[in-house]
Amino acid sequence: AQSVTQLGSHVSVSEGALVLLRCNYSSSVPPYLFWYVQYPNQGLQLLLKYTSAATLVKGINGFEAEFKKSETSFHLTKPSAHMSDAAEYFCAANFGNEKLTFGTGTRLTIIP
Amino acid sequence: DADVTQTPRNRITKTGKRIMLECSQTKGHDRMYWYRQDPGLGLRLIYYSFDVKDINKGEISDGYSVSRQAQAKFSLSLESAIPNQTALYFCATSGLAGGVDTQYFGPGTRLTVL
Repeated sequence: AQSVTQLGSHVSVSEGALVLLRCNYSSSVPPYLFWYVQYPNQGLQLLLKYTSAATLVKGINGFEAEFKKSETSFHLTKPSAHMSDAAEYFCAANFGNEKLTFGTGTRLTIIP
Repeated sequence: DADVTQTPRNRITKTGKRIMLECSQTKGHDRMYWYRQDPGLGLRLIYYSFDVKDINKGEISDGYSVSRQAQAKFSLSLESAIPNQTALYFCATSGLAGGVDTQYFGPGTRLTVL
């Protein structure tokens, strides 16, 4: 079955440290992939998306993600965490049916 | 102004009551969606509509109904609310961006059923 898995429901990093949020998909055909961020009491905001044009995708707020077909992964990274990055992050996939399948989310905490 | 708006933003109701959540969009998109978010479960699709005459059930449609009144408006109803429908509800629209169908979300409605 087609699915999206986010490893780690909670991730804590120190301010200034590398942020790495993991996302893997299960599908025989690579899907379109998305990362969304949800700040407290807000809706989901698109961070970036993979459209097959390039495997390294740059998004807003200094985030980027790399698509690796061999690992069926689309991990989100940011070189240096900022306090304002504290939020919940969702990975999602469009498996070709014009609907999104979401992972269960990763809550990112930034330690001062 | 926000492209996707939801009303109300917060609602507390009692078991058995009928409640309607409303969504409006100014993005001009044909496709609209309703999701619910529960802690640890991510977002799950309740209903979706690809145009005014097209309504489809998502993975968790039981206990819910929808109405697509116009291209810009998509309402979600709980005919007889129950406590396990307490959740955060999101409306979304989608359209092509960079050649890929991309979804845009409203701010959410926090519903509590007592």
